Amino acid sequence: EIVLTQSPGTLSLSPGERATLSCRASQSVSSSYLAWYQQKPGQAPRLLIYGASSRATGIPDRFSGSGSGTDFTLTISRLEPEDFAVYYCQQYGSSPWTFGQGTKAEIK
Amino acid sequence: EVQLVQSGAEVRKPGESLKISCKGSGYSFTTYWIGWVRQMPGKGLEWMGIIYPGDSDTRYSPSFQGQVTISAYQSISTAYLHWGSLKASDTAMYYCARGGSYFHHWGQGTLVTVSS
Repeated sequence: EIVLTQSPGTLSLSPGERATLSCRASQSVSSSYLAWYQQKPGQAPRLLIYGASSRATGIPDRFSGSGSGTDFTLTISRLEPEDFAVYYCQQYGSSPWTFGQGTKAEIK
Repeated sequence: EVQLVQSGAEVRKPGESLKISCKGSGYSFTTYWIGWVRQMPGKGLEWMGIIYPGDSDTRYSPSFQGQVTISAYQSISTAYLHWGSLKASDTAMYYCARGGSYFHHWGQGTLVTVSS
């Protein structure tokens, strides 16, 4: 199975700053079948990005995804207070689908 | 509006059985995969498996194969996650979500606590 490793484990930033989150796969993710989710405490995850770079419905354009093969990135161009949360990547190119362990974005 | 509504929190003893549910509405239940995701306390998301309610085609993660059973009933637009014999390590939040690849719509989660 494909193992996804997210880095950093915790990202300490201030509102307005740019956030760059990494997701590295143990083998190539076919057809860039990679998604990103946001999860806030006590809530279900929310889909942000699918197909590595397509924003889900209703997701602000400050969120963007990029990458291919084994290296993927989620970028939040200017952090808003509501963006401080945990972010997970997920691959769906090779069964079983798998999630990364998460990156927590916290207020500095 | 697509909605997935899960059954309420459960407390069980080790060795007991349990079935939790996920009712879909606002879309054609039989034409979208439904998946289950585990989140142990303070931990990340784990993909458990998916089912296509239209024909009950089911796929499991090797980590959960044989540990749980995923099923669905078209007539009541409901998917289920079933344990035959719970362990303390099954204590977690369980989410259902729509999608055979990525998950666009999620249920609110069902907290399962297994304790003697």
